[in-house]
Parts: sequence; structure tokens; C-alpha cells
Amino acid sequence: AQSVTQLDSQVPVFEEAPVELRCNYSSSVSVYLFWYVQYPNQGLQLLLKYLSGSTLVKGINGFEAEFNKSQTSFHLRKPSVHISDTAEYFCAVRSGTSGTYKYIFGTGTRLKVLA
Amino acid sequence: DAGVTQSPTHLIKTRGQQVTLRCSPKSGHDTVSWYQQALGQGPQFIFQYYEEEERQRGNFPDRFSGHQFPNYSSELNVNALLLGDSALYLCASSPDSPMGSPLHFGNGTRLTVT
Repeated sequence: AQSVTQLDSQVPVFEEAPVELRCNYSSSVSVYLFWYVQYPNQGLQLLLKYLSGSTLVKGINGFEAEFNKSQTSFHLRKPSVHISDTAEYFCAVRSGTSGTYKYIFGTGTRLKVLA
Repeated sequence: DAGVTQSPTHLIKTRGQQVTLRCSPKSGHDTVSWYQQALGQGPQFIFQYYEEEERQRGNFPDRFSGHQFPNYSSELNVNALLLGDSALYLCASSPDSPMGSPLHFGNGTRLTVT
């Protein structure tokens, strides 16, 4: 069965510092990868996605992620964080074909940006 | 263009009762998925509806059932509520595409079972 592992449950970082949130997945077939952000009392909002092509993917709010097939990783990065980036971040994988696809989410990483 | 809308936003029920949650997908989307998100956890897949039929199901008991209507809107029903059913229930929609179309989420329904 496929799975998504987010290695850090919480990441505290000072404002304007860089951050990396780690994500590893297990899959023996081609997958599509996503990062979502969740603010308190809200649903999940798409940050970025990897479908194919360039392994470096840029998303909204200055975030980017790099797909590494050999390491089955899809880590999220931002060079300089803001207080407003404080939120829960979820990595997700979609696999399967039309009619059988399923999205699997990691357990989330809580990013806390400190002033 | 309205995104995914869910109702109600909050709900309080007693153990043993039944509940129905509702979802309208984003315009142009025909596939609706439901997720349960317990406090401090990631979303757990409940089931997915397409063409008014349950197409896939996660590891949830039969107490959890659903429906999709011809206009693609959907309902999630939970019978015989347990305390452990307290969670944020998220509806997500997407087009039925072989490409990796991302899920679009609503803001969820917060269910509290007392």
C-alpha cells in the first residue's frame, strides 16, 4: 500500500529564515505529488503540484518543492518565511488511473514562524 | 466561480444519533471525495463518488455512507455516532481526469459528538 511520511510533526523557525519541510512517499508506479496548506478552521489549499517534467516545482506564496525519484522525496522549501506562513502543511500523493485513483495524505507538519 | 461549499459548518450530536453532511463541488468537477480529519491528524479517505456511485472506499465502517446527486453534489451520512467520530469532515472535488488534477477542498464541517 502506498504511504506518505512527513518526518517532522512540528518545525519552529524564525521569521525571514529559510525552511524545509520533508516528505517521503512509497510507490512503485508513477505518482503525482502535491503540497497543501491548512490554516486554522479552514480546508486545505493547494500550494503546488508535481505531475511531470521539471523536478523543481514553484507554487504560491514563494514556496517550491523538488521531486527526487531516486529518494522518493518531495521536500517543500521557502527561502524566507513570514509570520503568515504559520500553518499546517500536508504532503499528498495521487496514484492509480482514472476510476481507481486515490489521494493519500501525510500526517502533516506544523510550521510555526517566530518573530 | 464558487469553490467547494459545505454545510453546516459546525454540528453537535449525541452518541447514537445520525448525521448528514452536505457538499457542493466546484463548478466543472464531477468527482467528490470525503475525508475525515481528526484533531492533529492528516485527512483520512472515506470514499469517492463519481456518476452517482461509490467508486472507491477507505477503511471506514458501513456506518459511513454517502450519495451523489445528478448535479454532482454529495451527502455524507454517519449512523450510530460514536465519540470517536468527532472530527473535521472535508469534502473535496476534482474532475475525473487521468492527469493529476488536484483536489479542491471545502472548509469542512466540524462534527462534535457528545
